[in-house]
Amino acid sequence: DTEVTQTPKHLVMGMTNKKSLKCEQHMGHRAMYWYKQKAKKPPELMFVYSYEKLSINESVPSRFSPECPNSSLLNLHLHALQPEDSALYLCASSVTGDHGQFFGPGTRLTVL
Amino acid sequence: GENVEQHPSTLSVQEGDSAVIKCTYSDSASNYFPWYKQELGKRPQLIIDIRSNVGEKKDQRIAVTLNKTAKHFSLHITETQPEDSAVYFCAAGGVGAQKLVFGQGTRLTINP
Repeated sequence: DTEVTQTPKHLVMGMTNKKSLKCEQHMGHRAMYWYKQKAKKPPELMFVYSYEKLSINESVPSRFSPECPNSSLLNLHLHALQPEDSALYLCASSVTGDHGQFFGPGTRLTVL
Repeated sequence: GENVEQHPSTLSVQEGDSAVIKCTYSDSASNYFPWYKQELGKRPQLIIDIRSNVGEKKDQRIAVTLNKTAKHFSLHITETQPEDSAVYFCAAGGVGAQKLVFGQGTRLTINP
């Protein structure tokens, strides 16, 4: 398996809902990332996990909660989101933090 | 923190001609510079990268040049083809390359 996969592809949620985004890679990469991308804008880094430990949190609001259960899996737990959080959420992975990052297809999130 | 500026924001070239996209960065500690191609509705795809100990790197029709003194780097695409049409993002990363800061993107259109 040479790709990063993400589920679901699309998600619509209300402001009071709790949902989770899932990201998987089976390439043996030890660094995993969450990005947020708004339309016609570049990806913005949210979180970095290195060897299953959170190494970077770009001052993301606590309504976004990342989790790395093992070296292949990365979750993003969502709670009490705002409409302005609607965006494409991209996961990426790299061999280590010192190598090129490979992106998953993203989850398109709509918050009503 | 790091700031990356990318120009032009849009670029239209005739098929077969060359295209050049330029980026400047602000943090002299940045040492990793990847380029991503993102087609409409698709994931960002790493197409080439360069580290600060190298001045130029080529991969078939794509090349990247880096001028550390001036803090700018460029993407060169030769013999452009319609499938090169996409949004291209440059990025700069510091020590460990985990924290990538992206430019605002260039929408490249190849006219047949």
